[in-house]
Amino acid sequence: DIQMTQSPSTLSASIGDRVTITCRASQSISSWLAWYQQKPGKAPKLLIYKASSLASGVPSRFSGSGSGTEFTLTISSLQPDDFAPYYCQQYSTYPLTFGQGTKVEIK
Amino acid sequence: QVQLVESGGGVVQPGRSLRLSCAASGFTFKNYTAHWVRQAPGKGLEWVAAISYDGGNKYHADSVKGRFTISRDNSKNTLYLQMHSLRVEDTAVYYCARSFSDLILDYFDYWGQGTLVTVSS
Repeated sequence: DIQMTQSPSTLSASIGDRVTITCRASQSISSWLAWYQQKPGKAPKLLIYKASSLASGVPSRFSGSGSGTEFTLTISSLQPDDFAPYYCQQYSTYPLTFGQGTKVEIK
Repeated sequence: QVQLVESGGGVVQPGRSLRLSCAASGFTFKNYTAHWVRQAPGKGLEWVAAISYDGGNKYHADSVKGRFTISRDNSKNTLYLQMHSLRVEDTAVYYCARSFSDLILDYFDYWGQGTLVTVSS
C-alpha cells in the first residue's frame, strides 16, 4: 500500500499568512494527488486535483505543486474561512490512501 | 445539482449486519465510478470500497475485505454498502463519494453528507 504522510500535523497561523502543507508518498504516484478541506461536521471538499489543478469554485489563493513523491498545498493569504483540517489523497493505485490530515488553527 | 444522500446508519451490536444506501441525483449515475469513505470519530479519512460505473469491478480495503461488499443499482441510481460481522472499530461516519469520471482510478469530486454507524454492545 502507498503511505501518505502529511506535515505538519497541526499548523498555527494568522489571517493573511502564507501557509504550506507537505504531503509525501511512500512511492511515486506521478501527479495523481488530490487535496481536500473538511469543515467540522461536513463532508470533505475537493480543492486540488492532479497535484496542481484548482477545482471549480475554489479561491485562487489555494495552489498545489509537486510530482512523484513530494507535494505541497499552499494558501497564499490565509482567510478566516480557511481554518480547517486538510487531507491529501493518492489515486494512483488501490487501495486509495489519505494522509493523516493537517489541522490549520488560528494563532 | 449533484446530490448524494446516504441512509441506513444507526446503532448496531458487534457481529451484526447493516446495509447503507446512497441515493444519487442531478447527474447520470451509471456513468461514474463510486466509493465509500469512512471517518472514525475525531480521526482522518479512510477509503473503504469502490465500484466501477457498470458494477463490473469492485475494490475493498483490507480492513473490510470479506465483511463488507459494495454494490450498485444503476436503474435506481443507488449505491450500497452491505456490512457484515461489524466490529467496534467500524464505528464511523460513512460517506459515499463520486469519482470525477468513469475511470476506476480518479479523485472524488462530490461527497454525500455522511451517515453515522455506531457499533456498540
